Amino acid sequence: SQQGEEDPQALSIQEGENATMNCSYKTSINNLQWYRQNSGRGLVHLILIRSNEREKHSGRLRVTLDTSKKSSSLLITASRAADTASYFCATRIYGGSQGNLIFGKGTKLSVKP
Amino acid sequence: DGGITQSPKYLFRKEGQNVTLSCEQNLNHDAMYWYRQDPGQGLRLIYYSQIVNDFQKGDIAEGYSVSREKKESFPLTVTSAQKNPTAFYLCASSIGLAGQSEQFFGPGTRLTVL
Repeated sequence: SQQGEEDPQALSIQEGENATMNCSYKTSINNLQWYRQNSGRGLVHLILIRSNEREKHSGRLRVTLDTSKKSSSLLITASRAADTASYFCATRIYGGSQGNLIFGKGTKLSVKP
Repeated sequence: DGGITQSPKYLFRKEGQNVTLSCEQNLNHDAMYWYRQDPGQGLRLIYYSQIVNDFQKGDIAEGYSVSREKKESFPLTVTSAQKNPTAFYLCASSIGLAGQSEQFFGPGTRLTVL
């Protein structure tokens, strides 16, 4: 079963607008990561947020984590056409297999110039 | 340049054939991973390796095999036992274990069964 579920599945915005993507998960986690994937390419790591953290920033990215609601959000401010990609959250389950990051199905973001 | 390379970029296989996908990294990472991605889906873990000569099955290991004879290399063989192998395959590596640190991904290999 899917541990992480991103919402929405697809998002279309104009350049300059903010984009918010959400990730919900089912079981306790050690931490949560966000990745970006351009079409037909490998994934690129964006941010890792630990279970004892509530918010992290990296450039135009802001990630929040609410462990009581088992959810995280990724905010991209002042979006650019180059931000067009799919965004995935990935969780390592508390007490789970050492090798296993569980990925959601992703949010496909389209930023129109 | 440091990074992960995968080859080939595109691979075509006839039914009943085994094929091997290459993954090489020069990041000096201990851990390496193979994922499968189907259209509109997230990544699913096939195999991972934390050290040389050791590897563990992931969620969908059936029909696949791996080896880890060198730290830099983690090839994946898709065997004829894999009934639906057409997919995008991604290799990744990390300094520590998955979830403890970021994973670095290769560009992927797209496998198509003819």
